[in-house]
Amino acid sequence: EVQLVESGGGLVQPGGSLRLSCAASGFTFSSYEMNWVRQAPGKGLEWVSYISSSGSSIYYADSVKGRFTISRDNAKNSLYLQMNSLRAEDTAVYYCVSQRTPYSSGWGYWGQGTLVTVSS
Amino acid sequence: DIVMTQTPLSLSVTPGQPASISCKSSQSLLHSDGKTYLYWYLQKPGQSPQLLIYEVSSRFSGVPDRFSGSGSGTDFTLKISRVEAEDVGVYYCMQAIHLPTFGQGTKLEIK
Repeated sequence: EVQLVESGGGLVQPGGSLRLSCAASGFTFSSYEMNWVRQAPGKGLEWVSYISSSGSSIYYADSVKGRFTISRDNAKNSLYLQMNSLRAEDTAVYYCVSQRTPYSSGWGYWGQGTLVTVSS
Repeated sequence: DIVMTQTPLSLSVTPGQPASISCKSSQSLLHSDGKTYLYWYLQKPGQSPQLLIYEVSSRFSGVPDRFSGSGSGTDFTLKISRVEAEDVGVYYCMQAIHLPTFGQGTKLEIK
């Protein structure tokens, strides 16, 4: 069974930093492209960042470019999101999301999410 | 960025009746590889989103066949042939031909 379990969320002051982690199991993590998607309280979904299966290709939404860094450790079956210079508008539930199968399109698997709250 | 526009933003449906959600993109989602990168997700209350439909009309594993997707280019539709109580939630369309963007979401409730 595919499982994606996020951790690392919490309360942080504006300008602060946080590192999210996503532990993957039940599939060959190193073969899957991964994404972070967020959802502000009561709002819709917003894609945040993408990383290829090898980690060689990375993209960011304009809203986080230069502040967030996505990475992965295929040996540890883990995905990360380093978030710096956090702003109030970064407050959201952050989901770790994988493709449905390798070399396919569509995000078939989502974690339960981890809440990040940016407030003084 | 490609803008995705969903209509309606909410709908109330009697169980057993059909439902339809429209999604329009500001640019064609047809890629040169022949695929159209349009997806539908459902977020049930208190849950993470789940994939329903990929590449316009293909149902993801385990998705009931009462869900169907259609469309081409910039105009797409998600149809539920007979709504059930478990279908309540917010439906999102998403494009991935460029950096992914979502529609605003359509909230489906049961009458």
